Amino acid sequence: EAGVTQFPSHSVIEKGQTVTLRCDPISGHDNLYWYRRVMGKEIKFLLHFVKESKQDESGMPNNRFLAERTGGTYSTLKVQPAELEDSGVYFCASSQYGQIDTQYFGPGTRLTVL
Amino acid sequence: AQRVTQPEKLLSVFKGAPVELKCNYSYSGSPELFWYVQYSRQRLQLLLRHISRESIKGFTADLNKGETSFHLKKPFAQEEDSAMYYCALKRGSTLGRLYFGRGTQLTVWP
Repeated sequence: EAGVTQFPSHSVIEKGQTVTLRCDPISGHDNLYWYRRVMGKEIKFLLHFVKESKQDESGMPNNRFLAERTGGTYSTLKVQPAELEDSGVYFCASSQYGQIDTQYFGPGTRLTVL
Repeated sequence: AQRVTQPEKLLSVFKGAPVELKCNYSYSGSPELFWYVQYSRQRLQLLLRHISRESIKGFTADLNKGETSFHLKKPFAQEEDSAMYYCALKRGSTLGRLYFGRGTQLTVWP
């Protein structure tokens, strides 16, 4: 079974540019989560999709971040315009809908904003 | 508000020595606690969860509600245990976000 995949693995952009991160969850997983780890700090929740609906987006830092999950399959996270403080590792995780909500993580996308 | 604290950023032990990675939490309800591990160049993966009450790779963790702790223990550390360990909390037993600690980097020396 293929795990959660994320693309790209690394992205280096300049301040003010736009970047789009992609996450492909495990097939059949209705739940999709985005997290971020800024250097020196804990991994923080950004948002949670159930299928194509946003269940919880309370962790989104500001309106420069836009997440979508059209069709309830893969998800994208767009940062526009990027700022220096957006640098970090962005993780995606997915889980099945059921009693045991084990979240399986992707390898992460390392974003560097110069 | 909920919070997860891992007081040790770095922890080093010698092979064969016991190891304990500390995790304390604050949450007024009934939490679900997890330990995730990230080995070098690998993705974050679930090590164990308190409701399973199982031992994985020789590691155990007991939820102590009185002390609000979920420390991870292994009696005899191995070099391959060297990794970053994250304690995480979920509110109740429902779906939802994880709250992570800052992580403890464990190094096991030969």
